[in-house]
Order: sequence, then structure tokens, then C-alpha cells
Amino acid sequence: DAKTTQPNSMESNEEEPVHLPCNHSTISGTDYIHWYRQLPSQGPEYVIHGLTSNVNNRMASLAIAEDRKSSTLILHRATLRDAAVYYCILPKSNSGYALNFGKGTSLLVTP
Amino acid sequence: DTEVTQTPKHLVMGMTNKKSLKCEQHMGHRAMYWYKQKAKKPPELMFVYSYEKLSINESVPSRFSPECPNSSLLNLHLHALQPEDSALYLCASSRLRVGAEKLFFGSGTQLSVL
Repeated sequence: DAKTTQPNSMESNEEEPVHLPCNHSTISGTDYIHWYRQLPSQGPEYVIHGLTSNVNNRMASLAIAEDRKSSTLILHRATLRDAAVYYCILPKSNSGYALNFGKGTSLLVTP
Repeated sequence: DTEVTQTPKHLVMGMTNKKSLKCEQHMGHRAMYWYKQKAKKPPELMFVYSYEKLSINESVPSRFSPECPNSSLLNLHLHALQPEDSALYLCASSRLRVGAEKLFFGSGTQLSVL
């Protein structure tokens, strides 16, 4: 499986942008890059995913490096409700494209 | 309806009990998943179903028995569990079992084994 590497934790001030990095140097050409987050006491929640091009949705933006060996999840204006564990995942065919979660990045948002 | 519904939300069982966890979705998804999550750890994949057939079993002990009776329903039958099996059990579904599809998760069943 292609492994992902994320910082254990990050901190942000409310209403400021947050850039959450993810390294995936062994990514293959057909691997999609997925981001999920898990708020306390809830199931994981889809944030965004992409293959090669940068992607935007109402929750976030995903910036993918040209060589695809890293990506960055961008929250444009962090709110207290964005405090969660953020997971960067590459679903693989040998796991039925299920998500194999790593440790993720715990994001703390302070007022 | 974009929900994955899991019941019960909480379950306490003894080591000799038999119980079942239920997961339901009405989004027409043909892939369904069971995950186990211990406190302060990431979710761990247990089983993957595709078109109601078991396609992945991540070496889960036989005291956990999954069942997919139809395309909307996924069960996890529990028997002779151990206290270390206490965890949050999460169900998820996706339209198809391919890397471009996003997964929808339920809020989980918090299981305590006494």
C-alpha cells in the first residue's frame, strides 16, 4: 500500500487559513488522494478527493503537487467546528478500495 | 437521503452473549464496509462487501461474523467476544468499490464487552 505521512498535530487560529500537508511519495498513477476528517464522537466524514488536478468544494481545497508525491488540504477560514483529526488516504485495489486510515493530523483551532 | 444508519448506538454485552450490529443505507450503494475503532486510534478495516458478496476479510477473528442480506443492509454478528473487543464499530458505504468513490460513514455503535 502507498503510505502517507502527516504531522501528528497542528494548531490554527479561528478565521485563519489552515494548510494540512500530506506526503505520499510511493503513490501510483491511478491512486486517488482522499481526505476525511473525524470530529469527536462521530464517524469519519468525507472532505475532498482528487487525482491530478487541484480540487475545490464548499468545505475545502485540495492542492496536489505536480509529481503527485504530496498534497495539501486547505481550509480557507478555520472555525472552531473544524477541530478534528484529518486523514489523508490513498485507497488501494488490494483493500477493495476501502480506506486504510493512518494516524492523521489532529487540528486544534483556537479562538 | 445520504445517511448511513447504525443501530444500536450503544451496546453492552457479556462474553457469553450473542448480539448483532445493524447498518442500513438507502443510497443505492453497492459497497459496504465494517471498521473497528479503539479509543484515540484510527479506524481499522475489518470487512468489505461488494454487490452483497464478501470481498475482503482483514484476518478478523471468527467471533465476528458479517452478513449482507441485501444491498441496503449490513449486519455484524457477535459471539463470545472478549473485553478487548470493546470499541466503536463503524459502518460505511460507497456507490462502487473503486478508488474514485467517496465513503459515507455511520456514527457507529459503541460496544462494551464485560
